[in-house]
Amino acid sequence: GEDVEQSLFLSVREGDSSVINCTYTDSSSTYLYWYKQEPGAGLQLLTYIFSNMDMKQDQRLTVLLNKKDKHLSLRIADTQTGDSAIYFCAERTGGSYIPTFGRGTSLIVHP
Amino acid sequence: EAGVTQFPSHSVIEKGQTVTLRCDPISGHDNLYWYRRVMGKEIKFLLHFVKESKQDESGMPNNRFLAERTGGTYSTLKVQPAELEDSGVYFCASSPLSRLNTEAFFGQGTRLTVV
Repeated sequence: GEDVEQSLFLSVREGDSSVINCTYTDSSSTYLYWYKQEPGAGLQLLTYIFSNMDMKQDQRLTVLLNKKDKHLSLRIADTQTGDSAIYFCAERTGGSYIPTFGRGTSLIVHP
Repeated sequence: EAGVTQFPSHSVIEKGQTVTLRCDPISGHDNLYWYRRVMGKEIKFLLHFVKESKQDESGMPNNRFLAERTGGTYSTLKVQPAELEDSGVYFCASSPLSRLNTEAFFGQGTRLTVV
């Protein structure tokens, strides 16, 4: 199986909350990231969490980490059409520069 | 400050041709990475430069791919001869050497289509 897994698509109505899920296999992962890629743009680091944290909140974004289950989620409150993008989950161990990415989840926000 | 820039943004070539992708990292960033995303798949690591040296090239798919970073500044990734399965988006990223616990900054990617 893949090292980092995410569902490929998520469709939500504008104003609702979006939850994008990710599972990973490396128990020594130290940093866990969410990247966003808008159409025609590069990868933008959205937020990250250290493995010794359970939750991180940043405005409309909430990251939850269940280290026991190796499960990471990104919740976007009050989802807007501008949030439509591909969201990539990634993990990295402390001794490496190289994050491992998932396939990306395409978030589609409709009116 | 300029971010990571990649050229070209799009390239369409015929099977068997050669293509060279270029990446200009953020000034002063000694780490430079190449990644590739084939349509619908994960973003896969190709290789990692520290200055002009190849630190890790374990992700390079085969010997049709050649990456260089002469002088430790910009990098090129040449595909010769290109095959259909090389189509995808090639991302470049850079980060400072002195801080292991920092994220890499990504360019906008080069979309390569081999027909």
